Amino acid sequence: EPEVTQTPSHQVTQMGQEVILRCVPISNHLYFYWYRQILGQKVEFLVSFYNNEISEKSEIFDDQFSVERPDGSNFTLKIRSTKLEDSAMYFCASSEDGRSTDTQYFGPGTRLTVL
Amino acid sequence: AQSVTQPDIHITVSEGASLELRCNYSYGATPYLFWYVQSPGQGLQLLLKYFSGDTLVQGIKGFEAEFKRSQSSFNLRKPSVHWSDAAEYFCAVQQGAQKLVFGQGTRLTINP
Repeated sequence: EPEVTQTPSHQVTQMGQEVILRCVPISNHLYFYWYRQILGQKVEFLVSFYNNEISEKSEIFDDQFSVERPDGSNFTLKIRSTKLEDSAMYFCASSEDGRSTDTQYFGPGTRLTVL
Repeated sequence: AQSVTQPDIHITVSEGASLELRCNYSYGATPYLFWYVQSPGQGLQLLLKYFSGDTLVQGIKGFEAEFKRSQSSFNLRKPSVHWSDAAEYFCAVQQGAQKLVFGQGTRLTINP
């Protein structure tokens, strides 16, 4: 069964450094998402992406964050200058066509630790 | 804005016992509701979803959930749990076309 994959599984970085989290969505899916879960808190929506454009973003997704589909398979989340509070599990998801009845399929997550 | 509450942070049940995980939502119209499960080291896997129609929804792994509009609830049930059901369970509601709003999650521990 096709699945969403994410690399790395764990990333440790120093405050102020840039990080790029990578995701490979399911191959025929057109909509891509990033969510995050700070330890002990809810899973929160960050951004959705379609046709090389952000289609929706949350208030969390400020100028420090950016997303990109650099090629036909990868979908990345970049944090420009990491802060301690960016430490979280980051989940990538994809869906076939973005309808509200569509299922979002999630990857295993990348645990980001900012020191 | 929509919200989801899972009142139980942690539940422990014995293997073979029945299970009910609670989920309450806040939403003005008919909600689109989901239950996801996360096993250690794994992503969020969809167990089941409700969009419309029959209020009792069957999912994978023997789980079911019942949508009760009068109680704003979408509780997850399983008649007999297995040790492999130990995981974190998340209830979610769709907000708009693409955004999922999640509850806090309920961690399920199974006693042998």
